[in-house]
Amino acid sequence: GAVVSQHPSRVICKSGTSVKIECRSLDFQATTMFWYRQFPKKSLMLMATSNEGSKATYEQGVEKDKFLINHASLTLSTLTVTSAHPEDSSFYICSARGERWENTIYFGEGSWLTVV
Amino acid sequence: AQSVTQLGSHVSVSEGALVLLRCNYSSSVPPYLFWYVQYPNQGLQLLLKYTTGATLVKGINGFEAEFKKSETSFHLTKPSAHMSDAAEYFCAVSGVGTYKYIFGTGTRLKVLA
Repeated sequence: GAVVSQHPSRVICKSGTSVKIECRSLDFQATTMFWYRQFPKKSLMLMATSNEGSKATYEQGVEKDKFLINHASLTLSTLTVTSAHPEDSSFYICSARGERWENTIYFGEGSWLTVV
Repeated sequence: AQSVTQLGSHVSVSEGALVLLRCNYSSSVPPYLFWYVQYPNQGLQLLLKYTTGATLVKGINGFEAEFKKSETSFHLTKPSAHMSDAAEYFCAVSGVGTYKYIFGTGTRLKVLA
């Protein structure tokens, strides 16, 4: 079946630094990838939609300059949290859609970001 | 606009008992509906989905859900709970032709021995 992989699964960074999270589709080409953020004991909030070769579309209230999304190939999208602060600490999860999947999205394992 | 409401943030059942997790949605277009499960410190796993056709959908691990348009519901059930079912369950909705998922707030299922 489809597999979406995220890396790293856990990362700790210092306040003020930037950190990159990768999302890869392992056995299919993902024309669209989505990035979600999950606060503790809360639901998933869509941050942005990423289409290969074009700029990401951000949801209202999400700072595009802080959360840089790049979808350079059909199998890879990256989320870079720039100048991270402790309030950016969260669980970030990506999902991917391939042409075959009848509107079904497959999710990555998620990445825990802790900013200290 | 679409939205999802999951009634009960926490549900406890005894092992072997019926599991019922409630999900109601609102959508101005025909919805696609999904249930995902999240185990601690893990990502989301698709349990089942409704797109078109049969309104009773069977998923993995013995779960099933029924799409009831008149009630705008998509409740998740399992006849007999197992300890391994303890997890967080999310209901989600999307519109036809769109892949943005709107998630409910989740229901944490606890299975008592």
